[in-house]
Amino acid sequence: GAVVSQHPSWVICKSGTSVKIECRSLDFQATTMFWYRQFPKQSLMLMATSNEGSKATYEQGVEKDKFLINHASLTLSTLTVTSAHPEDSSFYICSARVGGRNTIYFGEGSWLTVV
Amino acid sequence: AQTVTQSQPEMSVQEAETVTLSCTYDTSESDYYLFWYKQPPSRQMILVIRQEAYKQQNATENRFSVNFQKAAKSFSLKISDSQLGDAAMYFCASTSGTYKYIFGTGTRLKVLA
Repeated sequence: GAVVSQHPSWVICKSGTSVKIECRSLDFQATTMFWYRQFPKQSLMLMATSNEGSKATYEQGVEKDKFLINHASLTLSTLTVTSAHPEDSSFYICSARVGGRNTIYFGEGSWLTVV
Repeated sequence: AQTVTQSQPEMSVQEAETVTLSCTYDTSESDYYLFWYKQPPSRQMILVIRQEAYKQQNATENRFSVNFQKAAKSFSLKISDSQLGDAAMYFCASTSGTYKYIFGTGTRLKVLA
């Protein structure tokens, strides 16, 4: 199956700093990647859809200036949490769609703790 | 708009027994796809099974099968011969032409030895 790798798995940063999370499709080209946030014991909340070579589409209520998404190549999308605050602490997970197929594969997820 | 509903927050099953997880959905699209994903304690989302709405035949993957009732908009997951490794959160999801996935709230499955 398609492999999606997410890095880092765990990150701790100080309040006010920025942190970047990478999502890579290892064995396929992903024209579309998705970024989710998952709160404890809750479902996945779609934050944005990332299309290679174009601006990301953000879901209602998600601050685009705070959660910067870049999809510079067909195998890499990045999520940068800018000026992080403790309330941004969460589990972030990316997924990538295999071109031509209506199936997405998930990365391992990243735990962000802002102190 | 698409919605996905999982009405069972938690289920338990005895090892080697069979359990069914429920999922209902609503969509105005004629072409859509339904999925079950498993999320173990590691939090990695793992695709369990996939069903195309235009296919009448229920999807099957080894011990996992679905009961797809299109008219009732129901998509349940049956796990046969349950194993300890099946314990996880299970999420039902749907997608259509936009490829945006809508997830249900999840069902926590406990497998009792």
